[in-house]
Amino acid sequence: NAGVTQTPKFRVLKTGQSMTLLCAQDMNHEYMYWYRQDPGMGLRLIHYSVGEGTTAKGEVPDGYNVSRLKKQNFLLGLESAAPSQTSVYFCASRLGGFIQAGYTFGSGTRLTVV
Amino acid sequence: GQQLNQSPQSMFIQEGEDVSMNCTSSSIFNTWLWYKQDPGEGPVLLIALYKAGELTSNGRLTAQFGITRKDSFLNISASIPSDVGIYFCAGHSGGSNYKLTFGKGTLLTVNP
Repeated sequence: NAGVTQTPKFRVLKTGQSMTLLCAQDMNHEYMYWYRQDPGMGLRLIHYSVGEGTTAKGEVPDGYNVSRLKKQNFLLGLESAAPSQTSVYFCASRLGGFIQAGYTFGSGTRLTVV
Repeated sequence: GQQLNQSPQSMFIQEGEDVSMNCTSSSIFNTWLWYKQDPGEGPVLLIALYKAGELTSNGRLTAQFGITRKDSFLNISASIPSDVGIYFCAGHSGGSNYKLTFGKGTLLTVNP
């Protein structure tokens, strides 16, 4: 049982390049979330999804797009990367229903934009 | 948006010492959660609190949900080197999207 898997683990992009980060979960979770973690800033929500085919903006959505075509996958896209998007990106998922289930996090993608 | 004020930002302690950290908010939360993040990994849930005044333990960890529902604290007793990491508080204020608001984290260093 893999839980939440993020690919790639590391990536270096040049300014203006595009890329997609993949999050896959095998727990049949309804809800999925993308966070970014920056030093001294904690975890900030980028986008989230409450089910297959649905997405919504979080706290810091600008410069990112997402898609949830399949329940188990949540993709985060950067159309034109900027140095301000250098960060560690975490995907998380949870069951629907009670908040008690908490989030299960992936191990992160470390992205550097030069 | 909602904000959680987590303190202290960092702590340097000796092995065996007890540790205390807390989170406060200007808003009411229905659920408080505490996570730990090991270097190079994602956060892992330590303790979840669902009722005001609730006190819950998980081994050497104890957390409490403040009576006002605007704060929570986490205590670690008899710290060991593997307690090193970043500790995050998180709160849920309601709503069906189950979004969590995270504190900025407390970086704990334990000297053997």
